[in-house]
Amino acid sequence: QQQVKQSPQSLIVQKGGISIINCAYENTAFDYFPWYQQFPGKGPALLIAIRPDVSEKKEGRFTISFNKSAKQFSLHIMDSQPGDSATYFCAARQGGSNYKLTFGKGTLLTVNP
Amino acid sequence: GAGVSQSPRYKVTKRGQDVTLRCDPISSHATLYWYQQALGQGPEFLTYFNYEAQPDKSGLPSDRFSAERPEGSISTLTIQRTEQRDSAMYRCASTPKGLRGTGELFFGEGSRLTVL
Repeated sequence: QQQVKQSPQSLIVQKGGISIINCAYENTAFDYFPWYQQFPGKGPALLIAIRPDVSEKKEGRFTISFNKSAKQFSLHIMDSQPGDSATYFCAARQGGSNYKLTFGKGTLLTVNP
Repeated sequence: GAGVSQSPRYKVTKRGQDVTLRCDPISSHATLYWYQQALGQGPEFLTYFNYEAQPDKSGLPSDRFSAERPEGSISTLTIQRTEQRDSAMYRCASTPKGLRGTGELFFGEGSRLTVL
């Protein structure tokens, strides 16, 4: 049972373009939604996160948009750079528990120079 | 240490053999997690520890899998009688005092297990 659905599976963007990755969830008990960035040969690292009581969070070129009623959230990377090329995972934490994240399957982003 | 350290980085074994993977978390972190990541997939929860206690092992695929953290620091994940379907990246992550706050897990570089 896939609790967090992520799309697209892969994405190619030109330098300077906008990268958009989408995630959807079913479990309304999720209360925290982080995005992780993973470079080849490395472990995932936290990029940015949002709680469902806000609709948008921005950190530099990275923005999370959150739609609670649709149970969807997305990552936008503005002015995409070749150094952003990585695999991105959305995740969700179940409220009331403090230990377990459920991850999406990941999106491989390639930013061409 | 400075980061989460896992060993071995690569392990090739024959079907039916036992393997043990090791994780050395960030020294100040109370909580340690094990995740399994198949190729092209996101990490999937296996189990976690608060210090030496193991409150949840619901993600372990079968009783061939076990984990321990006897002194609340280094942890091992043991897979007995390995099967080809156990081939995956096994990732350890740690965080100070659980995910109550930031949801930030600090992942190691993983141990890639290949079962022939």
